[in-house]
Amino acid sequence: DVKVTQSSRYLVKRTGEKVFLECVQDMDHENMFWYRQDPGLGLRLIYFSYDVKMKEKGDIPEGYSVSREKKERFSLILESASTNQTSMYLCASSPKDQSGPGANVLTFGAGSRLTVL
Amino acid sequence: EDQVTQSPEALRLQEGESSSLNCSYTVSGLRGLFWYRQDPGKGPEFLFTLYSAGEEKEKERLKATLTKKESFLHITAPKPEDSATYLCAVQMVYSNYQLIWGAGTKLIIKP
Repeated sequence: DVKVTQSSRYLVKRTGEKVFLECVQDMDHENMFWYRQDPGLGLRLIYFSYDVKMKEKGDIPEGYSVSREKKERFSLILESASTNQTSMYLCASSPKDQSGPGANVLTFGAGSRLTVL
Repeated sequence: EDQVTQSPEALRLQEGESSSLNCSYTVSGLRGLFWYRQDPGKGPEFLFTLYSAGEEKEKERLKATLTKKESFLHITAPKPEDSATYLCAVQMVYSNYQLIWGAGTKLIIKP
């Protein structure tokens, strides 16, 4: 019954390494999101994609990039990891339809906890 | 500035002891308010959407209500399995997808 799958639950990387976080959803959702979750803070949006190859910056895009080559897959890339990117990363998806009972409801993956040393 | 604040940060209750969690918001226009539950090591899971003041939604021991300034998540006769972090998020009228999230309330129900 898994709907949003994040490929790595735990990662440990070194400063300067390139990091790929991958997310796959099986609900045929148009929208996909990458959030960052830190203690004491609300979820912060890094990037959003509303269609294949389309992306929009969220609140904290600096130091991150994304790729969406297929509808079901949305990747987050840290070009050169830094210690302040140590965090929990959450991928989510939602349907395009913004009306009805499921409007704008996000389905989240289990998260990827990244530690940068 | 658009803002969402949840209180308390943490709440410890005995099993069966009813209480409420608060989500207060200051936004320029509300499209919808969302409640999610997050268990340790998992992503948030959707509970409710509220759209207008006076609206209420219920699910098992949980009831969410909405006013023009805040939302409450009432938990009646909680059980240990209700222990989780409860997150509130607000969508503004001018946004199709952007949400402002509260920091969450960690609820612990002791048997």
